[in-house]
Amino acid sequence: DAGVTQSPTHLIKTRGQQVTLRCSPKSGHDTVSWYQQALGQGPQFIFQYYEEEERQRGNFPDRFSGHQFPNYSSELNVNALWLGDSALYLCASSLRVGISLTDTQYFGPGTRLTVL
Amino acid sequence: AQSVTQPDIHITVSEGASLELRCNYSYGATPYLFWYVQSPGQGLQLLLKYFSGDTLVQGIKGFEAEFKRSQSSFNLRKPSVHWSDAAEYFCAVGALQGGSEKLVFGKGTKLTVNP
Repeated sequence: DAGVTQSPTHLIKTRGQQVTLRCSPKSGHDTVSWYQQALGQGPQFIFQYYEEEERQRGNFPDRFSGHQFPNYSSELNVNALWLGDSALYLCASSLRVGISLTDTQYFGPGTRLTVL
Repeated sequence: AQSVTQPDIHITVSEGASLELRCNYSYGATPYLFWYVQSPGQGLQLLLKYFSGDTLVQGIKGFEAEFKRSQSSFNLRKPSVHWSDAAEYFCAVGALQGGSEKLVFGKGTKLTVNP
């Protein structure tokens, strides 16, 4: 049973560029959440996708956008990168079990983004 | 707003000693609580979770946690630490909002294990 996978593993960009990160959820899961983990901090919630729609968003600017595909995989896009976007980006997948509740979130290994 | 506090930034224990990592949460409703572990450069692995029922929950790798509503705490324990337990530990609360659920994490506790 494949777990949550993310690509690429590492990425280096320069300020002002745009980046796309990818996530494939654990088999059987239909909900994908994205988190940003800055160095020395706990993960911060960016947004969550279910049924190809953004369902909830954390305190992140519009430069952060996402997409969910019919096969439940997801992309995180960040425009106009700046130094503060350097972080580990984690994808988590889960299965929706009610109107708004999801079962346990399982995390991928993350994508390490460095902005120079 | 929901929040999680992990008072200890860094803890050092000797191998074979007992361990307790503290976690306090703030949440208006019945919380869903989690402990995750992160090894250097890795993603998060779920250790255990509390949704309801028995307040003492067992997890993987010999860890357990106890939910105490009166103290808003969900402390993680292990009776005998192994060198491989050295990692960073994150406590999280599941927060329902706007038709969805997100995890709110503490800042983590880094565990060092001395031989």
